[in-house]
Order: sequence, then structure tokens, then C-alpha cells
Amino acid sequence: QKEVEQDPGPLSVPEGAIVSLNCTYSNSAFQYFMWYRQYSRKGPELLMYTYSSGNKEDGRFTAQVDKSSKYISLFIRDSQPSDSATYLCATRKTQKLVFGQGTRLTINP
Amino acid sequence: GAVVSQHPSWVICKSGTSVKIECRSLDFQATTMFWYRQFPKQSLMLMATSNEGSKATYEQGVEKDKFLINHASLTLSTLTVTSAHPEDSSFYICSARGASTDTQYFGPGTRLTVL
Repeated sequence: QKEVEQDPGPLSVPEGAIVSLNCTYSNSAFQYFMWYRQYSRKGPELLMYTYSSGNKEDGRFTAQVDKSSKYISLFIRDSQPSDSATYLCATRKTQKLVFGQGTRLTINP
Repeated sequence: GAVVSQHPSWVICKSGTSVKIECRSLDFQATTMFWYRQFPKQSLMLMATSNEGSKATYEQGVEKDKFLINHASLTLSTLTVTSAHPEDSSFYICSARGASTDTQYFGPGTRLTVL
């Protein structure tokens, strides 16, 4: 079993839709959770960073962590074509990051 | 803040030559730097972790004599791919973490093509 599981998609939605991206993890000791956005042929860009359970909002993005079910989510409101990218969830294990497989998202105008 | 640069952004070389990739933290001191490799449509694979002034720690299956990592200062780490072969062609990405940060900030990546 992978430590972080993420549906690779691809996921395609119309512009303006609410997007929900999800990951599950296996180790209840994980405390730090991140979402990265990666455009084609570019390095990952940190979008959201959360510690333990709860919600965190930044503009159109909301990150949610449910430690009881080992489930992390990223919601994108009012999605834009510029949001089309691969989204990677990650958690920190000692000083390393453990990544999900990444979900390819396309927002159609 | 938290900007990481890489140079070059892409490189093409002949089989058997060595290639050096630089990773710099521009606005913070990176106590730890990481090197990743990414194949098309796949997630990032950690190759090695380096702490400033120490030898790098390589992940299982990564040849340390082939992928030489140097982290001589708090703002610079280098990855040298020695005697490169076509199977080394990939997207190489570095990341950096400072003493006061809990997460990693990534560089833009270097695309290596070995002919």
C-alpha cells in the first residue's frame, strides 16, 4: 500500500465549476500536509500548507484535512482555465516529502 | 519569498559526457536541499537529500557515484550526472528547505536529454 494515494485522473471540468481533489494517507502519525500545483515542464509550486486537522482558505483555494479518516482535500472555487495543471498532495515524513501520484486537471473554457 | 532557481533549464549532451545542474535558494538560506527526478506523467522520485556541509544521503537504488551531489553553501547545491547515458534523460528538480520553514520550495526543473 502506498503511503499517499491520489487518483491520477485525468479530471476535466467546465470553467467556473467547483473542483474537488482528494488524497488518502496510511500513517496516522503524519501531521503536515501540502498541495502543490505543477504546470507542464515546470517545477511544483506550493499552493497550500496545513498542519493537523481542519480547513485553510486562500483565495479560491481551500485545503481540508480530516485526520480521523486520513483524508485530505483541495477545493478550487470558480475554476479558471489557468488552473489547468497537475495537482500533487504531499505529506512530510521526517524531513522528506511523500507525494501522491498527482491529478491532472483540465478546466475547459 | 522562498524562491529557488535552477540552471540550466534544459541541456542536451552526448552519451558519456558529464552534466552539472545548479540549484540556488535566492532569498533564504537552505539548510537542506533535495534532488528529485520525474518521468513524464509520473510523480516526483526523491533521489537524495543533502544538508549543507555534509555528504548527501541517497535513496535506495540511486547510484551515488553516478549522481554526484555537492551542497557546499547555504544557497547552492549541485547535481552532476557523470557519464550520462540516454536512460538518464529526465526532468531533474531540486527543492530547498530553510531552518525556519516546515516545507520545501521547488526549483523550475532542468530537462536533460542525452543523445
